[in-house]
Amino acid sequence: EDQVTQSPEALRLQEGESSSLNCSYTVSGLRGLFWYRQDPGKGPEFLFTLYSAGEEKEKERLKATLTKKESFLHITAPKPEDSATYLCAVQFPEGSYIPTFGRGTSLIVHP
Amino acid sequence: DTEVTQTPKHLVMGMTNKKSLKCEQHMGHRAMYWYKQKAKKPPELMFVYSYEKLSINESVPSRFSPECPNSSLLNLHLHALQPEDSALYLCASSLNFGTGGADTQYFGPGTRLTVL
Repeated sequence: EDQVTQSPEALRLQEGESSSLNCSYTVSGLRGLFWYRQDPGKGPEFLFTLYSAGEEKEKERLKATLTKKESFLHITAPKPEDSATYLCAVQFPEGSYIPTFGRGTSLIVHP
Repeated sequence: DTEVTQTPKHLVMGMTNKKSLKCEQHMGHRAMYWYKQKAKKPPELMFVYSYEKLSINESVPSRFSPECPNSSLLNLHLHALQPEDSALYLCASSLNFGTGGADTQYFGPGTRLTVL
């Protein structure tokens, strides 16, 4: 069973059509939840770190929120250049401290 | 500056070759990581160095040999690789590792490795 689940696997939007990506995790509590953007053939680009439920962070058209068991990445009025794979990773409070990655959401924004 | 650099960008090697991947960061981070990523999959951790000492080896075959010469540099030595080792190899760094808080990782652009 995956400890970190991202949904949907793929998302197609029209330019300007706002939507949200989800990252849920099975264990209560976390050290940190991380969002990354990855373009094909490139390394993941850091977007946000969230630490506790209720926290929100924003950057341009992106806003990340965190509850006790999931995080949302809201994309407002997306543009074609927002097309990428968005990865979520969770660092759990117990264990080896290695962040667990979800499988990602592939976002395509059509002009 | 949150930059991690990696060289080379691309590498093609035969199964009998020996090559090295290099990674560098100047953010003062004390933890550095090697990941392997196959197409349409998330990054898969290989090694973690903390304060220049190997902290985690995720049961990686011995044909991959990491080295951390100093706190800013990380190498991955490759020898007798197999075609299935072809992948994007990512280096990352974080301020610390496993000290209690969240360890935000910053990734380099990756090295695209092809083993013939």
